[in-house]
Amino acid sequence: AQKITQTQPGMFVQEKEAVTLDCTYDTSDPSYGLFWYKQPSSGEMIFLIYQGSYDQQNATEGRYSLNFQKARKSANLVISASQLGDSAMYFCAMRETLYNQGGKLIFGQGTELSVKP
Amino acid sequence: DTEVTQTPKHLVMGMTNKKSLKCEQHMGHRAMYWYKQKAKKPPELMFVYSYEKLSINESVPSRFSPECPNSSLLNLHLHALQPEDSALYLCASSQEVPGFGNEKLFFGSGTQLSVL
Repeated sequence: AQKITQTQPGMFVQEKEAVTLDCTYDTSDPSYGLFWYKQPSSGEMIFLIYQGSYDQQNATEGRYSLNFQKARKSANLVISASQLGDSAMYFCAMRETLYNQGGKLIFGQGTELSVKP
Repeated sequence: DTEVTQTPKHLVMGMTNKKSLKCEQHMGHRAMYWYKQKAKKPPELMFVYSYEKLSINESVPSRFSPECPNSSLLNLHLHALQPEDSALYLCASSQEVPGFGNEKLFFGSGTQLSVL
């Protein structure tokens, strides 16, 4: 069975500083996708970044980058130059490849990030 | 248009009521999902529809009944719910490419459901 672990229930970061949110995963499937989503207090899940298991380079999307270490089964999210609007819950998720069945996206427990002015 | 629209945003219902949650997307996605999320917890998968057919049911109680009338719409029919069913219900969609399966999910803002 798949498992996603986020060991930081809550984190604080000073505005304009960088922060790393940890995520480790466990799967026996050689093909999988790793995702990070942001959920502000409004409730919507906002896609941030994606890393495929066969991707050679770490994914980057603006201020977000994913530190993918396949051998260690970790997929940490790095947010550079934190902004007050980054305060939210962040979920790491893994997608199992189920061909023609829509797939299953399984979430970690989440990390609540608070950005201090 | 990259939106998934859910209605209503808030719903209060009694345990004997029948209500429905609605979800709509116009991105041409062929997979749609229902997730249930309790406060401060991760979303939990309930159902997956792929090409308008139910492909995954995560052992959800029968008081929750999903329906996919067409490729753009997804409903969740609610009947005889319990107070512990109070939660945020999230709908999502994704493009499905047969044999690939790693497309990102687009989520709606959710319906906050309270069962009294």
